[in-house]
Amino acid sequence: DAMVIQNPRYQVTQFGKPVTLSCSQTLNHNVMYWYQQKSSQAPKLLFHYYDKDFNNEADTPDNFQSRRPNTSFCFLDIRSPGLGDAAMYLCATSRDSQGPETQYFGPGTRLLVL
Amino acid sequence: GDSVTQMEGPVTLSEEAFLTINCTYTATGYPSLFWYVQYPGEGLQLLLKATKADDKGSNKGFEATYRKETTSFHLEKGSVQVSDSAVYFCALSDRGANNLFFGTGTRLTVIP
Repeated sequence: DAMVIQNPRYQVTQFGKPVTLSCSQTLNHNVMYWYQQKSSQAPKLLFHYYDKDFNNEADTPDNFQSRRPNTSFCFLDIRSPGLGDAAMYLCATSRDSQGPETQYFGPGTRLLVL
Repeated sequence: GDSVTQMEGPVTLSEEAFLTINCTYTATGYPSLFWYVQYPGEGLQLLLKATKADDKGSNKGFEATYRKETTSFHLEKGSVQVSDSAVYFCALSDRGANNLFFGTGTRLTVIP
């Protein structure tokens, strides 16, 4: 089945220790998104890739970076995680961003910072 | 700016009860509207959507009608089941935008 896969499902890291979250998709969609969802809050867009074109949201901290080496994979790098970065991180894909296309989500990675 | 206001939860219903989860929106353009559902331990799944005024989205017994005059997209189901227990998110996407604006989610628990 075509899908969006996120690994790992749970990630524990130490304060200040870099961590990478992974997302892959078999939908062949050209747009990939990363959202942060804190407890009892709405998902918040961090950035997205339209093909290889990176689009950062204005209020996304510099601590968060992303890489997309090919169509199928996208990574979220947190350079120096703080306690406030503990959250669920959601990856999503869509066919095109030039309009209200449906976004398809992965199961999320829950990050815990000790 | 664009935003979504969603009925606060949690909501607890008995099986076969009628469900309404309210959602209203603010948008500068002509958005598409969505309901996503998140079952325990899983990612967000699209439940239904509507792309223009008076459209009705429906899926798995759930319905929502795009009401431009009241800027609303309320989710309804006539008879809920235990398996409907999940968190429900209302969301909008404005034309030409790259973002989904989500409500805060409503947790529904259905008891036998």
